Amino acid sequence: EVQLVESGGGLVKPGGSLRLSCAASGFTFSSYSMNWVRQAPGKGLEWVSSISSSSSYIYYADSVKGRFTISRDNAKNSLYLQMNSLRAEDTAVYYCAREGGGWLPLDYWGQGTLVTVSS
Amino acid sequence: DIQMTQSPSSLSASVGDRVTITCRASQGISNYLAWFQQKPGKAPKSLIYAASSLQSGVPSKFSGSGSGTDFTLTISSLQPEDFATYYCQQYNSYPWTFGQGTKVEIK
Repeated sequence: EVQLVESGGGLVKPGGSLRLSCAASGFTFSSYSMNWVRQAPGKGLEWVSSISSSSSYIYYADSVKGRFTISRDNAKNSLYLQMNSLRAEDTAVYYCAREGGGWLPLDYWGQGTLVTVSS
Repeated sequence: DIQMTQSPSSLSASVGDRVTITCRASQGISNYLAWFQQKPGKAPKSLIYAASSLQSGVPSKFSGSGSGTDFTLTISSLQPEDFATYYCQQYNSYPWTFGQGTKVEIK
């Protein structure tokens, strides 16, 4: 069974940093691209970042480019999101999601971790 | 960036109704269109990919159609468990973008 479990969320002050983790199990992690998607309270879904299976290709939303860094450790079956220079508008539930490959986009999602940016 | 516009933003329907949600892309995206269902406090769930392919395990009452810029999600006979918010998403090009969501409520 595919499982994605996020951790690392919490309360942080504006300008602060946080590192999110996503532990993957139930599939060959090193074979799949992975993504982060966020959802501000009461709002819709926003794609944040994508990383290919070997980390060769990385993409970011303009809203986080230069502040967030996606990475992965295939030996540890883990995905990460380093978030720096956090702003109030980064407050959201952050989901990690597997990219199914080929025509399949985001086929499995974690339960999400809440990041709150507030003074 | 490709803008995705869903309509309606919300709708009220009864159990057994046929429901159709529309998603329009600001430019052509071929068939790189997915649909997701999200219930309150839960992660989104994949329903449809490649515009019309049913995700494994998803009941056949859900169907998708369209190509290019105009797409639809249809629920053939609405059941209580189908009341949720539905999102379309394009994955033709980065940045991937979602529609604003359509909330399906009980009439």
